[in-house]
Amino acid sequence: DQQVKQNSPSLSVQEGRISILNCDYTNSMFDYFLWYKKYPAEGPTFLISISSIKDKNEDGRFTVFLNKSAKHLSLHIVPSQPGDSAVYFCAASAGGYSTLTFGKGTMLLVSP
Amino acid sequence: DVKVTQSSRYLVKRTGEKVFLECVQDMDHENMFWYRQDPGLGLRLIYFSYDVKMKEKGDIPEGYSVSREKKERFSLILESASTNQTSMYLCASRAGRVTQYFGPGTRLTVL
Repeated sequence: DQQVKQNSPSLSVQEGRISILNCDYTNSMFDYFLWYKKYPAEGPTFLISISSIKDKNEDGRFTVFLNKSAKHLSLHIVPSQPGDSAVYFCAASAGGYSTLTFGKGTMLLVSP
Repeated sequence: DVKVTQSSRYLVKRTGEKVFLECVQDMDHENMFWYRQDPGLGLRLIYFSYDVKMKEKGDIPEGYSVSREKKERFSLILESASTNQTSMYLCASRAGRVTQYFGPGTRLTVL
């Protein structure tokens, strides 16, 4: 049973436009969410996170939105750059010090 | 800056060999994790450790074991490697309550 779902395996966006990556979850115990970025042959890099007590968190070009009632979060990248091309993983935690549950990832391709 | 290092970036082994993958973190983190990443399957947790000498099974522990003799080092062991263990192996270390920081990964090929 997949508790964290990233339903789009891939996304293509033009440079300068907005990229929106989506993530849905089923476990109502999840209270902290993270996004990781991964280049081929490298380890994932932590990007941004959000606690369930918030509905938005911003860090430069990256913003994460959380809709608890819909059990949905999204990562917005504005403006998108070719260097953003990577696989993005959504992850969720049910309480502090617990393990992370990852989605299967979305491959983002930003073309010049 | 958190630094997590893994002993090899690429490794090729033969079926039946015993394989050791080592991970070291330099931030005095108590919690460490081993994942494997396969196309279309995301990151799957193999084993984790909350402290020295402690280990917990993750979602896919079969065919693997771990060792944590020192706080900074967490080893993943494949007792008898099989072709279905060909994968990217990722080690992570946790700072605080939630956020994990990953090493560069080891691409293991079992022939």
